[in-house]
Amino acid sequence: DAGVTQSPTHLIKTRGQQVTLRCSPKSGHDTVSWYQQALGQGPQFIFQYYEEEERQRGNFPDRFSGHQFPNYSSELNVNALLLGDSALYLCASSLGVKLAGHTGELFFGEGSRLTVL
Amino acid sequence: LAKTTQPISMDSYEGQEVNITCSHNNIATNDYITWYQQFPSQGPRFIIQGYKTKVTNEVASLFIPADRKSSTLSLPRVSLSDTAVYYCLVVASYSGAGSYQLTFGKGTKLSVIP
Repeated sequence: DAGVTQSPTHLIKTRGQQVTLRCSPKSGHDTVSWYQQALGQGPQFIFQYYEEEERQRGNFPDRFSGHQFPNYSSELNVNALLLGDSALYLCASSLGVKLAGHTGELFFGEGSRLTVL
Repeated sequence: LAKTTQPISMDSYEGQEVNITCSHNNIATNDYITWYQQFPSQGPRFIIQGYKTKVTNEVASLFIPADRKSSTLSLPRVSLSDTAVYYCLVVASYSGAGSYQLTFGKGTKLSVIP
């Protein structure tokens, strides 16, 4: 049973460029969320996708956008890259919650390490 | 979302029991307490989750007092491979479609010494 897979694992971009990161959720999961983790910090929530719609969003500018496909995989796009966007980008998957009282558990991928020069 | 406070770092010798306490004074009635473990350059890994009293699984125990304003993660007989960052999170339980998010703090860096 494959877990959460992310690609690419590492990439280097220059300021002003655009980047697309990809995520395949754990088998059976339908909800994907994205996190940014700067060095020495905890992961920061970017947004969550369920049923191909953005359901929740953290405090990130519109330069950060995403998409979820019918097969539940997801992409994170970042436009007009800044030096401060250098971080580990984590994707997490879970099973969508339809009943009250169940929080579930998130399964994280290994992340995509983005370096902006 | 409830704010959590936990020690920045802890050291322990191999074979000892480690207790990491987290405070969450403004926890809400429908919030769960959840702990994740993260190794360098890897994604966080779920350890344990609880609502009240005590929860135990194959790797850890979680103790939550009656007022739920704090919680303690207990790792029995730690080994060098337990060296990692441990995050305490308060997760609200939502109804509806898949709607909850995790708010991570800086976590506790546990160093296990031989």
